Amino acid sequence: AQSVSQHNHHVILSEAASLELGCNYSYGGTVNLFWYVQYPGQHLQLLLKYFSGDPLVKGIKGFEAEFIKSKFSFNLRKPSVQWSDTAEYFCAVNGYNNNDMRFGAGTRLTVKP
Amino acid sequence: GAGVSQSPSNKVTEKGKDVELRCDPISGHTALYWYRQSLGQGLEFLIYFQGNSAPDKSGLPSDRFSAERTGGSVSTLTIQRTQQEDSAVYLCASSTPAERGRYEQYFGPGTRLTVT
Repeated sequence: AQSVSQHNHHVILSEAASLELGCNYSYGGTVNLFWYVQYPGQHLQLLLKYFSGDPLVKGIKGFEAEFIKSKFSFNLRKPSVQWSDTAEYFCAVNGYNNNDMRFGAGTRLTVKP
Repeated sequence: GAGVSQSPSNKVTEKGKDVELRCDPISGHTALYWYRQSLGQGLEFLIYFQGNSAPDKSGLPSDRFSAERTGGSVSTLTIQRTQQEDSAVYLCASSTPAERGRYEQYFGPGTRLTVT
């Protein structure tokens, strides 16, 4: 069965610091990869996604993620975080022929002003 | 347009009672998902509906949990004989069909269930 691991439960950064959140997945076939974000008091929403092609994908608000197939990883990055990036971030994966999504446990990011 | 809606937003119930949680997906979205979000546990897949196909119930944690989707639209998640460990936020999401799993899920605000 597919699974997703997010290694950091809570990350605390100061504004302007760089961010990298780890995500590793376990799945035997071709996958689609996603990062979702949940800002305080808001719904989960899509941040970015990878289906195929360039393994470096860019999303909203300056976030990017890199798919490294050999490492089964899809880490999320942002060069300079802002206080408004404080949120919970979820990595997710599904397979080509499998229409259900599996999520990681989430990483809570706190950015100090 | 209207997003995914869920009701009630909060539900407090006594242990042993049954509860029903409702999800109204985005119009035209044929796929509907239920997840459970427990504190520090992330999102746990419960059940998936796609059109008129038989639902994927592989994530339901026990036979106290059931869900149905009427008319391919509104879905109800029922928990019978609630237990304290059922306390969590129950999230619903919907999506349009896409080849090779290339779809985006749209989430509702969730129902926070507290079992006392």
